[in-house]
Amino acid sequence: GAVVSQHPSRVICKSGTSVKIECRSLDFQATTMFWYRQFPKQSLMLMATSNEGSKATYEQGVEKDKFLINHASLTLSTLTVTSAHPEDSSFYICSASKPGTPMKETQYFGPGTRLLVL
Amino acid sequence: KQEVTQIPAALSVPEGENLVLNCSFTDSAIYNLQWFRQDPGKGLTSLLLIQSSQREQTSGRLNASLDKSSGRSTLYIAASQPGDSATYLCAALGTASKLTFGTGTRLQVTL
Repeated sequence: GAVVSQHPSRVICKSGTSVKIECRSLDFQATTMFWYRQFPKQSLMLMATSNEGSKATYEQGVEKDKFLINHASLTLSTLTVTSAHPEDSSFYICSASKPGTPMKETQYFGPGTRLLVL
Repeated sequence: KQEVTQIPAALSVPEGENLVLNCSFTDSAIYNLQWFRQDPGKGLTSLLLIQSSQREQTSGRLNASLDKSSGRSTLYIAASQPGDSATYLCAALGTASKLTFGTGTRLQVTL
């Protein structure tokens, strides 16, 4: 199997605080993890790609100083939303890919974390 | 830049009907095309993955086809059931392992 977990599943915080979301691959080593954001009734948008031991690559328009990504091990990546504001309220989903050729590469998705900033 | 569009945005059908969901993408240089299901407030469930060299994949009542040259994929659901009600997303895997998601089709299967 290929199971990816996220913690927490839901978080409510006050504006200005920082929130950390964890993404773990439970039964495989993931050299690459991805972070997506999904606003209500919209599709998933890739925020950043992280490789173990190196800096994350952010998509255009995503502030790297606001969304801190750490991929410290082959099974764990964290996304920290710094100084969160109500407009950061969203559904954050991570995915992890097993090593392999691009043609056979599959991303396994976590269950998502719903963030509400008051 | 890859753009993925899904039509229709929403669909309501009576139980038992066969239905087709459509997905189109602008850049045909893809490695694979994947269909997902998303229940309200939940994560993604992978349904079918079609490699760029393949034409279709089947799993139970689901059949997905891929026409890379025309930039289209379809998801066929046979004998729909109320439990099929969900949002269906297609996603194209392009260069640098980037998955570009479609806008989604909200499906409701009524009794």
